[in-house]
Amino acid sequence: AQSVTQLDSQVPVFEEAPVELRCNYSSSVSVYLFWYVQYPNQGLQLLLKYLSGSTLVKGINGFEAEFNKSQTSFHLRKPSVHISDTAEYFCAVSRTHNFNKFYFGSGTKLNVKP
Amino acid sequence: SAVISQKPSRDICQRGTSLTIQCQVDSQVTMMFWYRQQPGQSLTLIATANQGSEATYESGFVIDKFPISRPNLTFSTLTVSNMSPEDSSIYLCSVSTGTGVGYTFGSGTRLTVV
Repeated sequence: AQSVTQLDSQVPVFEEAPVELRCNYSSSVSVYLFWYVQYPNQGLQLLLKYLSGSTLVKGINGFEAEFNKSQTSFHLRKPSVHISDTAEYFCAVSRTHNFNKFYFGSGTKLNVKP
Repeated sequence: SAVISQKPSRDICQRGTSLTIQCQVDSQVTMMFWYRQQPGQSLTLIATANQGSEATYESGFVIDKFPISRPNLTFSTLTVSNMSPEDSSIYLCSVSTGTGVGYTFGSGTRLTVV
């Protein structure tokens, strides 16, 4: 079975500081990896995804994530955050042979302070 | 990617009643998915809805409680039946993105049962 662990439920950070949101997964099969963002009172928006190839994936809004197979991690990073990045971020995985079924982490609330 | 309209955006309902949530997509899609996001928790897949066939429910979810309709390739409904306060959640509709692996989500229905 697949599981996704987001180690930090909340991450406070000051504007223009760098941030890393951690995500670890467990799976006995090959997976695809995703990060979604949920702004207050809105649905989820895809930030980026790793399917294959380069382990460093760049997404929207200046975010990037690095797939580390040996550590089964897919941490999300941004070198300089803005107030508008305040949102909840969800890491998700799907199996490569059944990619329509997603398993989500519990989410990390990023709170960017001025 | 597809644009999803979900209605209602929020509702407050009496226990014992039922609520039907509508999901309209601006393009034809084969598979539509319904998720639940309970307060402070991550997303859990309720069921997968394919046009022309019965929905496939995940473990812990049953058709009597969450009947789903999928009359055509652009529309689906989820009904939350005989509601109790434990059903208070955000319910989200999603579809596969047109570019392959990944989901597009509706903005969700925030349900409060009193």
